[in-house]
Amino acid sequence: AQTVTQSQPEMSVQEAETVTLSCTYDTSENNYYLFWYKQPPSRQMILVIRQEAYKQQNATENRFSVNFQKTAKSFSLKISDSQLGDTAMYFCAFKGQDKSYGGSQGNLIFGKGTKLSVKP
Amino acid sequence: KAGVTQTPRYLIKTRGQQVTLSCSPISGHRSVSWYQQTPGQGLQFLFEYFSETQRNKGNFPGRFSGRQFSNSRSEMNVSTLELGDSALYLCASSTDRGEQYFGPGTRLTVT
Repeated sequence: AQTVTQSQPEMSVQEAETVTLSCTYDTSENNYYLFWYKQPPSRQMILVIRQEAYKQQNATENRFSVNFQKTAKSFSLKISDSQLGDTAMYFCAFKGQDKSYGGSQGNLIFGKGTKLSVKP
Repeated sequence: KAGVTQTPRYLIKTRGQQVTLSCSPISGHRSVSWYQQTPGQGLQFLFEYFSETQRNKGNFPGRFSGRQFSNSRSEMNVSTLELGDSALYLCASSTDRGEQYFGPGTRLTVT
């Protein structure tokens, strides 16, 4: 079964600095997707960034970028120029191929989350 | 496009009662998934519906059920509520690329 591990329960960073959140996962599948979601105190889950396993190039979305290491099964999120609005829980999530494509399942499997606090 | 909507946002029920939660996906999205979020267990997958058919199911007891209508709107039902069912229930609709977009959630409290 697939698992997702986030080893940092809490982190803090000064405004305008850079922070990296770690995530490792375990799977026997070759084709899959990885995501980072942000959940601020409002509890709305927001998609931050997406990575397809077959793509070697790391995904970027403005101040957010990932370091995807497929062999090591590592998927870290880097937040540059941190802003107060980045304060939130961050969840790493794995999605395998849908069963119709020969995968195990198509739902998201989440890590336990990292609570990020951005300090002024 | 309007985002995923969930109703009601908050709900208080008594043990033994049943509850129905509703989710309207983003227009054009045919897949709807449900997740339960609790402080102890984190985010756990309940089930996924695609074109009115349950495509995937998590490891929850039969008290948890769902359905999807022809307009892609989905409902989930929990019967014989237990205290441990208190949670935030999140609905997500999916693109064909597998990205899931979440609604604001329904906070269920069982007393």
